[in-house]
Amino acid sequence: DAGVIQSPRHEVTEMGQEVTLRCKPISGHDYLFWYRQTMMRGLELLIYFNNNVPIDDSGMPEDRFSAKMPNASFSTLKIQPSEPRDSAVYFCASSLDRADTQYFGPGTRLTVL
Amino acid sequence: QKEVEQNSGPLSVPEGAIASLNCTYSDRVSQSFFWYRQYSGKSPELIMSIYSNGDKEDGRFTAQLNKASQYVSLLIRDSQPSDSATYLCAVPPFNFGNEKLTFGTGTRLTIIP
Repeated sequence: DAGVIQSPRHEVTEMGQEVTLRCKPISGHDYLFWYRQTMMRGLELLIYFNNNVPIDDSGMPEDRFSAKMPNASFSTLKIQPSEPRDSAVYFCASSLDRADTQYFGPGTRLTVL
Repeated sequence: QKEVEQNSGPLSVPEGAIASLNCTYSDRVSQSFFWYRQYSGKSPELIMSIYSNGDKEDGRFTAQLNKASQYVSLLIRDSQPSDSATYLCAVPPFNFGNEKLTFGTGTRLTIIP
């Protein structure tokens, strides 16, 4: 299996622009997670899905952030409008069930100028 | 008090020695505990999980759990330069399955040849 796939790997944008991050989970995994990692705050869970349904979005920082999972093999995290404080590494992870290991993608390094 | 606390380090250990990483957590009823390893510029990967008080050994790694003291540790025996990484402790809230993890900020470990 190719593992969790994320794109783009790096994104540099200007403040106010829309940013869309993409994730393809491991085939057959029921859970998908979006995390954000910064030096100051560490690794934070933003939102997670079970069978394409959002279960907990309490970690989404503001209304500027939104996430969708239109099918079992694809999810997006959108930031609109982006701000410099959104600069971070965004990870997508997936797991087989709620008690299973989470497998992380390679991450997207976002820089908002 | 943060939900999961770790010493940020950096922790430097000579090659061949024992590296000891510590984590405390605030939720008294937490049942599951995880150690993830993250190499610089890479994504986290699970290396150990522990659910019961006491020790759990896996090769050179030993996880130790003390629920009364709300303390979990990771020991790495015969430390190798390849063990140099950031180690993240993760704990799920009691009323969730293991899918919702709260991560510590991580301890950066450097093994000195």
